[in-house]
Amino acid sequence: KAGVTQTPRYLIKTRGQQVTLSCSPISGHRSVSWYQQTPGQGLQFLFEYFSETQRNKGNFPGRFSGRQFSNSRSEMNVSTLELGDSALYLCASSTGQAGANEQYFGPGTRLTVT
Amino acid sequence: GEDVEQSLFLSVREGDSSVINCTYTDSSSTYLYWYKQEPGAGLQLLTYIFSNMDMKQDQRLTVLLNKKDKHLSLRIADTQTGDSAIYFCAESPKTDKLIFGTGTRLQVFP
Repeated sequence: KAGVTQTPRYLIKTRGQQVTLSCSPISGHRSVSWYQQTPGQGLQFLFEYFSETQRNKGNFPGRFSGRQFSNSRSEMNVSTLELGDSALYLCASSTGQAGANEQYFGPGTRLTVT
Repeated sequence: GEDVEQSLFLSVREGDSSVINCTYTDSSSTYLYWYKQEPGAGLQLLTYIFSNMDMKQDQRLTVLLNKKDKHLSLRIADTQTGDSAIYFCAESPKTDKLIFGTGTRLQVFP
């Protein structure tokens, strides 16, 4: 079974631009979560989508948004990029059901904002 | 509040045991997790423990949970150079929302 895939793997943008990152979950998984990883703040939860609905949300400004499609693929968008948005963005997929609910992570998209 | 703490570094000799510690704050977390991150890679789920368990063993990995003190530990037996990585503990106060610790960088030397 294929793992979680994320595209693109690397991205360079300038301040003020917007960016869209994509995540394809493991086949059969209906939940996709997004995390931001930076040296200063560590791993922080952005949001989680389950069956095309946002189910959980972290403490990020409204510039960060996401969506999920009917095939469970998810995208996240960051508008009006700031230097501080430079980070590794990780997505994780799971069945989304109650229980141990193991989350499997993709390799991440490294975003650099200049 | 949500705050998971870990020590930043651990250095061990190859063949010894490693113990990585973690304290968490949310007693409502039903499951607690350990993830491993190698350089340039995403996170790999190593193991997890249900909150009503004290211990879970999985090959070279042993997880101990002290729910009263909100303390979690991961013991790696016979540590190898391939175990060198950053290890994160995580609590899950809500389904599919993980709160990660700061990560412990494990260095294994020959």
